[in-house]
Formats: sequence, C-alpha cells, structure tokens
Amino acid sequence: KQEVTQIPAALSVPEGENLVLNCSFTDSAIYNLQWFRQDPGKGLTSLLLIQSSQREQTSGRLNASLDKSSGRSTLYIAASQPGDSATYLCAVLRGSQGNLIFGKGTKLSVKP
Amino acid sequence: DGGITQSPKYLFRKEGQNVTLSCEQNLNHDAMYWYRQDPGQGLRLIYYSQIVNDFQKGDIAEGYSVSREKKESFPLTVTSAQKNPTAFYLCASRQREWQPQHFGDGTRLSIL
Repeated sequence: KQEVTQIPAALSVPEGENLVLNCSFTDSAIYNLQWFRQDPGKGLTSLLLIQSSQREQTSGRLNASLDKSSGRSTLYIAASQPGDSATYLCAVLRGSQGNLIFGKGTKLSVKP
Repeated sequence: DGGITQSPKYLFRKEGQNVTLSCEQNLNHDAMYWYRQDPGQGLRLIYYSQIVNDFQKGDIAEGYSVSREKKESFPLTVTSAQKNPTAFYLCASRQREWQPQHFGDGTRLSIL
C-alpha cells in the first residue's frame, strides 16, 4: 500500500531564506508526483508536476526534484517571501486511473 | 475563465438528513474526483469518475453517493449513513493521467 510522508509537519523561517520541503513515498512504481499549495480554508493550487521519467521541474522560485529509486521528492523554494506562507502538499499518482495519494502536508510560515 | 466551481461554500446538515455538494467544471476534463480533508490529515479519495455515467469507489466511499450524468458535473451526496460527515470536501478534475489535477475551492460541511 502506497504511503506518502512529509517532513517536517511545520516550518518557520525568516524572509529571504532558501528552504527545502521533503516528501517520501513507499512504492516507487508511481506515474508522477505533484506538489500543491493550500491556503487556509481554500482549495489546492497545483505548483509543479514531475513525470516518473523526469528528475526535476522548475517554475520561478520553485524547483521540485524526484528520485524514484529512493522514494523521495523535494520542493526547493528560493528567497522565501511572507506570501509563500501556506501548507504544501505532495501527492503521488497511483495507477492509470489518476488517483492521487496525498501526504499530510508541511505548514510553512515565512516571517517578515 | 476555465475552472472548477464548488457550491455551497458552507453547508450544515441536520441529523438524518442527506445533503448534496455541487461540483461543476468548464475545463472539458474527462475525469473528476471527490476528496475529503480532515484537520491534520491528508486528502482521502471518496469517489472518482473517468467518464460520463461511470464512477468508482475510492478509499472512504461508505455513506456517500455520486452521479455523473453530464461531463461537466459530478455532485456528491452525503447520506445519513455517514456518521462523521464534518470535514472539508474538495472536488478535482483532470484531462489525462499524466496531467495535473485541478481543484475547486471546497465546501465545508458541519453538523447542526
């Protein structure tokens, strides 16, 4: 059974710091991995999607990497800003029917 | 603008009552999903549909029902058999399994 773990559960950093969020999964047979952002009381916003054949994806200050063999993904946020404060969720795609399995998220707080 | 619309934003259920959550998308996506989010937990899949007039149970389908009569609509009914319905419900859709899932803004269901 696929399980997704995100560490740490919460993180507080000063503005301007570079940071890394971690995601691990138990079954390396995944189709892809998706990182989301969730603001309080809101839905999920897709940030990056990495196909199983890819090693990384970049969008602006965000870079996500994928190491299928070790069951790990990282989300790197450069030069963090207070507006980056949110909960970040990673999810792996199991099977061709497109069902995502989610981690519990990392709650990020960026202090001015 | 294309997107996913969930309504209502807040919903209250009385004992023994069935309630229906609406999810509409104008993205022309084939697949639609319903997730439940509880505090401190990751999202869990309730039901999903790959095509009109077809749907499958997810991990926590008991006490819920769905229909998919139109491509753009995937309503979720929370029945009286669901004994712990208080949660944040999120609807999502995607076109192909290698493409990202897009989410609505959610419906928060509470018990009166």
